[in-house]
Amino acid sequence: QSALTQPASVSGSPGQSITISCTGTSSDVGGYKYVSWYQQYPGKAPKLMIYDVSNRPSGVSNRFSGSKSGNTAALTISGLQAEDEADYYCISYTSSSTYVFGTGTKVTVL
Amino acid sequence: QVQLVQSGAEVKKPGASVKVSCKASGYTFTSYDINWVRQATGQGLEWMGWMNPNSGNTVYAQKFQGRVTITRDNSISTAYMELNSLRSDDTAVYYCARGGSYKDYWGQGTLVTVSS
Repeated sequence: QSALTQPASVSGSPGQSITISCTGTSSDVGGYKYVSWYQQYPGKAPKLMIYDVSNRPSGVSNRFSGSKSGNTAALTISGLQAEDEADYYCISYTSSSTYVFGTGTKVTVL
Repeated sequence: QVQLVQSGAEVKKPGASVKVSCKASGYTFTSYDINWVRQATGQGLEWMGWMNPNSGNTVYAQKFQGRVTITRDNSISTAYMELNSLRSDDTAVYYCARGGSYKDYWGQGTLVTVSS
């Protein structure tokens, strides 16, 4: 199972919106609603930001939103803030009853 | 509050095995799957496998099939991940994470270093 494809880096200025893509296949992203997104700071455990494509856990800022079209899921961060600078990973359920992570995206706030 | 507390750092020689524990508290252990995820230094997250603590059923990533075993002791709300035939490229931080379709709580991570 190959890792899902994410851009290596995305950057934006404070207040702007950015979108991180997560591309898989019909056997993972395209076939299920079980895509979630995680934020990770250096040396820390990942934190759940979005689950089941577009749902936001309690306590996560509404500046984070998720969507999916075909085999590509996306995480959008609106009103970019300095604290959003981190690594972001998607993960999807697969047809083999396993999970596969994305390659990860480093978000830089300019 | 929900907590997953993992065992401490390990140093192993190539060819050896390592067993990392993950003790859960603050919820009913058998009600949620446990996943294991690893991350080599400077690299991305890699899903290794999951277990249903209620049934004991497990599913492993193909890459780790035959080399990883996830078990549990429900009496002490603890999950375990054992990785055999360790190689230098198994050096990584290993995380346990609660959940099925999404992983909402994570352990603090356990650094496993494989070095001769």
